[in-house]
Amino acid sequence: AQTVTQSQPEMSVQEAETVTLSCTYDTSESDYYLFWYKQPPSRQMILVIRQEAYKQQNATENRFSVNFQKAAKSFSLKISDSQLGDAAMYFCAYRSAEKETSGSRLTFGEGTQLTVNP
Amino acid sequence: SAVISQKPSRDICQRGTSLTIQCQVDSQVTMMFWYRQQPGQSLTLIATANQGSEATYESGFVIDKFPISRPNLTFSTLTVSNMSPEDSSIYLCSGKQLTEAFFGQGTRLTVV
Repeated sequence: AQTVTQSQPEMSVQEAETVTLSCTYDTSESDYYLFWYKQPPSRQMILVIRQEAYKQQNATENRFSVNFQKAAKSFSLKISDSQLGDAAMYFCAYRSAEKETSGSRLTFGEGTQLTVNP
Repeated sequence: SAVISQKPSRDICQRGTSLTIQCQVDSQVTMMFWYRQQPGQSLTLIATANQGSEATYESGFVIDKFPISRPNLTFSTLTVSNMSPEDSSIYLCSGKQLTEAFFGQGTRLTVV
């Protein structure tokens, strides 16, 4: 079974600075997707960024980028020019790309609570 | 991406009663998922719901306690039955469309 680990329960960053959230995962599969979701106090889960395992290029979405190291099974999220609105719980998630596997469910990490200080 | 409307957003219920949570999607989705989330913690999958078939439950969750309906490709319900204070949690539904997963706004349930 796949597992996702976020070793940082809490992180803080000054507004306008850069912060990196860590995520590692364990899988025997070769084809899969990795995601970062943001959950503000409103509870709405918001997709931040997605990475396909077969793509070597790291995904980027505006101020958000990932460092995907497939061999090391590492998937960190970098937030540049942090804003107050970035404050939230961030979850790393894994999903198999293999059609026969477990109904394509998401496996989530424990989450990292990000605080942005003004 | 699709949008899911989840109701109710919160409720306070008496122990021993049942609550049904509804999720309406604005487009057709192949699979829907129901999660439970304790405050400040990660999401735990309860079950996967496909149209026209019984839901598939994860270890530790049973149909008698969490019956699920999926009458069509845009709607699903989760019922929390015979509630106890241990069922107090946030419940979220999720839909899968192609490679994306998107979520409802969550239901915060308090059992007293």
